[in-house]
Amino acid sequence: GQNIDQPTEMTATEGAIVQINCTYQTSGFNGLFWYQQHAGEAPTFLSYNVLDGLEEKGRFSSFLSRSKGYSYLLLKELQMKDSASYLCAVGSYNTDKLIFGTGTRLQVFP
Amino acid sequence: EPEVTQTPSHQVTQMGQEVILRCVPISNHLYFYWYRQILGQKVEFLVSFYNNEISEKSEIFDDQFSVERPDGSNFTLKIRSTKLEDSAMYFCASSEDRGNSDEQFFGPGTRLTVL
Repeated sequence: GQNIDQPTEMTATEGAIVQINCTYQTSGFNGLFWYQQHAGEAPTFLSYNVLDGLEEKGRFSSFLSRSKGYSYLLLKELQMKDSASYLCAVGSYNTDKLIFGTGTRLQVFP
Repeated sequence: EPEVTQTPSHQVTQMGQEVILRCVPISNHLYFYWYRQILGQKVEFLVSFYNNEISEKSEIFDDQFSVERPDGSNFTLKIRSTKLEDSAMYFCASSEDRGNSDEQFFGPGTRLTVL
């Protein structure tokens, strides 16, 4: 079967760094996605990792370890607008769909 | 920047009624999807559509659901006889390549409330 785990909620301070972890179990792994979702809005794409290692994109970086079934999203220089849910999702060779985790709700405080 | 659009943004209906949710995917995309998100829960896959046919559907996508691409731009989700538990946000998404390895672009969603 497929299973994705991530923390339900996290809090951080403006200007700080936060790391959101995601562990997964899936057959035919074909990459891990991170999406951002503000309350009442659609998910928006942040990153896609299919090879091990760190991908950096501005203030956001995403890391993948396929052997450990583990990924994290790193957010630097946090801003108030980063308060949102961060969704970890997995792609599989066997399917076109994304399997989403429950999401991590991040609250950034001044 | 191209985007996925959805109408209506909100739909309120009585239990047992039919609803049609509409989506216009990004024009050069070939793969289309419907997902739903019940309030406070995770995003769940409903169906994917490619080359004018359903390529995959989930257990949620039973006989009450259908999808159609009536012309070159629209992609619709029909729920034949709505139930209370169909109340959710419904997201349409599209991708240029297979969604298991390519960014899926999500529309703003339709909030469906079944009374």
